Amino acid sequence: AQSVTQLDSQVPVFEEAPVELRCNYSSSVSVYLFWYVQYPNQGLQLLLKYLSGSTLVKGINGFEAEFNKSQTSFHLRKPSVHISDTAEYFCAVSRPRGRRALTFGSGTRLQVQP
Amino acid sequence: NAGVMQNPRHLVRRRGQEARLRCSPMKGHSHVYWYRQLPEEGLKFMVYLQKENIIDESGMPKERFSAEFPKEGPSILRIQQVVRGDSAAYFCASSRGQEGDEQFFGPGTRLTVL
Repeated sequence: AQSVTQLDSQVPVFEEAPVELRCNYSSSVSVYLFWYVQYPNQGLQLLLKYLSGSTLVKGINGFEAEFNKSQTSFHLRKPSVHISDTAEYFCAVSRPRGRRALTFGSGTRLQVQP
Repeated sequence: NAGVMQNPRHLVRRRGQEARLRCSPMKGHSHVYWYRQLPEEGLKFMVYLQKENIIDESGMPKERFSAEFPKEGPSILRIQQVVRGDSAAYFCASSRGQEGDEQFFGPGTRLTVL
C-alpha cells in the first residue's frame, strides 16, 4: 500500500514571492508521482508528473518539482507566485504495472496575498 | 474537444433516496475512474472501470454503491438509500489506459443529502 503526506494544510505567501509545497510519500514499490491543482468548484488539472528519468520535472504555469528517492519526497516549487495561483494543490502517486488508481494527499491550500 | 463531462453538477437528495451520477469520458478514452472528496479532505479512489468491465473496486463501500460503464453511454455511479455521510463531491476521471497516463478530471457532482 502507498500513502501521501502533505505536511502543510495552508501556505500563505505574498505575490511574487517563491513558494514550496511539500509532499512525502510512502511505498514499498516504485511509484509514479503527480501534482494536481484544484480551483474553487472545479475539477483537478494536472500540473506535472514524474514517471522516470530526470528528477527535476517542469510543469505548466511555471511550476516545477523535484523527485528525491532517498527522501521519498516530491516537493512543488514556483519562483514567483501570482494571485491567480491561489488554489488547492494535491500530490498523488500511482503504481507502475498495476493498480492505476491515484492515491492523493490531503491537499495544501495556497493563498497568495497582494 | 470536450473534456470529461459530469452531470448533474449539483444533486440534492433526501435520506433514503437514490442518487445517480453520470460521467462521459473524453473522446478516445475508454478508462474511467471515480473518486470521492469529503469536505476538507483529499480525493479517495472508489472504482476503476473499462467499457463493460469493473477493473478495480477496492475503494467502493460494500453496500449501497455500484458503478457501471456500459458499451454505449456514460459511466454511472449509483448510490442507493443515501445517508447524510454520502454528502460529498464525486469526481470522475478518464484516461487512455496506458501506464503513467494523465487522468483528466471532470468538474464533479456535488451531492447533498438532507
